[in-house]
Amino acid sequence: AQSVTQLDSQVPVFEEAPVELRCNYSSSVSVYLFWYVQYPNQGLQLLLKYLSGSTLVKGINGFEAEFNKSQTSFHLRKPSVHISDTAEYFCASLREYGNKLVFGAGTILRVKS
Amino acid sequence: EAGVTQFPSHSVIEKGQTVTLRCDPISGHDNLYWYRRVMGKEIKFLLHFVKESKQDESGMPNNRFLAERTGGTYSTLKVQPAELEDSGVYFCASSQVWGQGRAEAFFGQGTRLTVV
Repeated sequence: AQSVTQLDSQVPVFEEAPVELRCNYSSSVSVYLFWYVQYPNQGLQLLLKYLSGSTLVKGINGFEAEFNKSQTSFHLRKPSVHISDTAEYFCASLREYGNKLVFGAGTILRVKS
Repeated sequence: EAGVTQFPSHSVIEKGQTVTLRCDPISGHDNLYWYRRVMGKEIKFLLHFVKESKQDESGMPNNRFLAERTGGTYSTLKVQPAELEDSGVYFCASSQVWGQGRAEAFFGQGTRLTVV
């Protein structure tokens, strides 16, 4: 069975500081991994995805994530956040050849000035 | 190009009433998915259409939920009769190819359903 754990429900951070949102996954088969963002009153938007190849994945808005198979992690990072990054972030996995995303519970990133 | 559109954005209904949620996927996307997020918990898969056929409805909670996709275009999700525990945000997503790993799944803004 697949599962995704986001270790922090909320992460407060000051503007221009670095941030890491943690995600661990569990699966008995190969999975793809995703990070989605939901800005207030908007839908889910794909930030980045890991399918194969390089373990460091770069996404939109300056975010990146690193796939670590040995630690079953896919943490999201940004070196310097902006107020506009305030949103809820979801980590998700998809079994290879599967059709359903398995989401974590979400992490609310609050960027303070 | 229009994205995935969901109607209504919010709905407040009384327990026992019926509600129908609608999703218009991106034109040309054969795959359509419904997900639900209840009370700030995980977003969970409900079902998957390929064109007009239900490919996987393993996530549908019970027979009070009925999903249809007429002609392989828009989809509706009906809850009848609604119960308090059905409250949550219902997301619709669509993608071009089978399996979201090789393509991006585009999500709508969600319908927030409140059952009182």
